[in-house]
Amino acid sequence: DAGVIQSPRHEVTEMGQEVTLRCKPISGHNSLFWYRQTMMRGLELLIYFNNNVPIDDSGMPEDRFSAKMPNASFSTLKIQPSEPRDSAVYFCASSLTGANTEAFFGQGTRLTVV
Amino acid sequence: AQSVAQPEDQVNVAEGNPLTVKCTYSVSGNPYLFWYVQYPNRGLQFLLKYITGDNLVKGSYGFEAEFNKSQTSFHLKKPSALVSDSALYFCAVRDQQAGTALIFGKGTTLSVSS
Repeated sequence: DAGVIQSPRHEVTEMGQEVTLRCKPISGHNSLFWYRQTMMRGLELLIYFNNNVPIDDSGMPEDRFSAKMPNASFSTLKIQPSEPRDSAVYFCASSLTGANTEAFFGQGTRLTVV
Repeated sequence: AQSVAQPEDQVNVAEGNPLTVKCTYSVSGNPYLFWYVQYPNRGLQFLLKYITGDNLVKGSYGFEAEFNKSQTSFHLKKPSALVSDSALYFCAVRDQQAGTALIFGKGTTLSVSS
């Protein structure tokens, strides 16, 4: 398996624009996580899906952020409208169901909002 | 709620010396505990996990970690550090209750000098 695949790797956009980040989890994994990494706040959980259903979205900063998982092999994280403070590295991770299973991370998307 | 504390932002050791990266956790139930490593511009890589049983867990690249329930700690250790071990290390916890996501500490930068 190629691992968790995220696209794009880098995104530079202007404030106010819509940004969509994409993730393909490892085949057979039914849990998917979106995290955001910044110097100030470290690695924050944004949202967690299990079997394509959002289980915990308490980390989503505000209504400008939304995430979907239309099927087991694809998820998106959308920011609309984007703001400079959204600049960060966004990671997608997947795992098998079960609290004792480790998560596997993608390479991340580095988002810069100017 | 679950949380992880990594009290040291940075740990400096000389090559060949033993290293310890500290982690303490808080969960309402019993924990599953994980260590991850992140190299520059890369995603997180799984190192090891504690599920149950022996309190000393061995993982990748010669790393090990010791679970101490009374001190709610899960410190990462290696008997002899390598320069190539220099990276950002994250401790993570997951409550054994199904349906919770991995929660990460802020990370500790390990710097190994030659």
